[in-house]
Amino acid sequence: NAGVIQTPRHKVTGKGQEATLWCEPISGHSAVFWYRQTIVQGLEFLTYFRNQAPIDDSGMPKERFSAQMPNQSHSTLKIQSTQPQDSAVYLCASSLDYSGNTLYFGEGSRLIVV
Amino acid sequence: SQLAEENLWALSVHEGESVTVNCSYKTSITALQWYRQKSGEGPAQLILIRSNEREKRNGRLRATLDTSSQSSSLSITATRCEDTAVYFCATVPGTGGYKVVFGSGTRLLVSP
Repeated sequence: NAGVIQTPRHKVTGKGQEATLWCEPISGHSAVFWYRQTIVQGLEFLTYFRNQAPIDDSGMPKERFSAQMPNQSHSTLKIQSTQPQDSAVYLCASSLDYSGNTLYFGEGSRLIVV
Repeated sequence: SQLAEENLWALSVHEGESVTVNCSYKTSITALQWYRQKSGEGPAQLILIRSNEREKRNGRLRATLDTSSQSSSLSITATRCEDTAVYFCATVPGTGGYKVVFGSGTRLLVSP
């Protein structure tokens, strides 16, 4: 069991550039979650996929953030026109079932917007 | 306001001592989770305690749940330096929910 794999681990991007973060969930897991972690806001829910279908994106800033899950083995989080306030650790988690009772997190992608 | 919240921002103990982290929550829950996050890693679940359980153990860890006061605690006995981490409680509000809501975390430092 390789765990949830996130790439890149670190990304520095200039203001206004696009950033794409990748997540490979644990094989056989049915649900994928994205969270954002900052010192000020803590762990914030962004979006949730169930069997690849987008179910809830209520935590996503609407205009510049998008997430997809084109197949069972990966999900992407794309941030367009990055802003300094987007700097954070973006965490992907997968879950065997839909309940959210046990999330397995990746190590996160640290995004720095300069 | 946070739906789940740890009571202290930080704690410091010496190796071998016991420590307890407390958490309060504001919604009805089906289960409460405790996670640990070490520096540079993602959170890892330590204990899941369901609403019909009062206590759950995992090695040196013991979690309690009091649904009447909407509170939980995580105790660590015989602490080790490698227990240094941020400890989060987390809840999934309601039945059929999936959106795990995390507290802001308690930072535990275990020194030699």
